[in-house]
Amino acid sequence: GAVVSQHPSWVICKSGTSVKIECRSLDFQATTMFWYRQFPKQSLMLMATSNEGSKATYEQGVEKDKFLINHASLTLSTLTVTSAHPEDSSFYICSARRDTNQPQHFGDGTRLSIL
Amino acid sequence: DQQVKQNSPSLSVQEGRISILNCDYTNSMFDYFLWYKKYPAEGPTFLISISSIKDKNEDGRFTVFLNKSAKHLSLHIVPSQPGDSAVYFCATRMDTGRRALTFGSGTRLQVQP
Repeated sequence: GAVVSQHPSWVICKSGTSVKIECRSLDFQATTMFWYRQFPKQSLMLMATSNEGSKATYEQGVEKDKFLINHASLTLSTLTVTSAHPEDSSFYICSARRDTNQPQHFGDGTRLSIL
Repeated sequence: DQQVKQNSPSLSVQEGRISILNCDYTNSMFDYFLWYKKYPAEGPTFLISISSIKDKNEDGRFTVFLNKSAKHLSLHIVPSQPGDSAVYFCATRMDTGRRALTFGSGTRLQVQP
C-alpha cells in the first residue's frame, strides 16, 4: 500500500526555535501534499495544500510566514514552523495523494512541544 | 460551523458484534466520502471510500453506506474485533478545486473482548 513517511516523530525545543518537518511519499509520486494540525481530542484541521513546484495554498487563519511550506519534488514536502512559541505546540500530520482521484495517505505525524 | 459531524464521540461494542459509526454532513456539494482509522500517535489510515453515485461500498468486514438525501453516511464493521479499537474519522471532499478533505471530529471505538 501507499506509504508516507514523516520525520521527526517528536520534537521538543525552546521558544523561538524554528523547526522543520519532512513528509515523504515513499512508493509513489505525490502531485499534492497536505499539512494538518490536530489539537487533543479534536479533528484534523487542514493548514495548507502544497503542489509540487508551486506556492502552497493556506487555509484562512493560517499564517504563511509562520508556517513555511516547500514542495520541492514529487516525493518531498517540508513544513517549517518559524520562531515557534508554546501555542504552536500541537500534532502536525502530512498527507500525500497521487492524483485528485486517489485517497490521501497520511504520515504518522509529528508531535511538536515548545517549551 | 462544522460541515462534517460525528455526533458520537465514543462507542463500545462486544467482540463479534456489529459496530456502526455515523457521520452527517451539511454541504450537498460533497461528492466523495472516506473513512479513516487512527491509533494514538499515528497518522490516519485509509479504510474505505464511497462516491456519491453509489449508496453502498463493501470491503471485507467494512461497509460504508451513503444516504445522500439525508446527508448521512455510516461505517459498519462486522464482526468487530478488539484490533478495531481506534478513533474513526469520516472525511469528505468536493469534486472541484483542491479536493481537500474536511474531517469530522472522530468517534472512539472500543471493542470489548
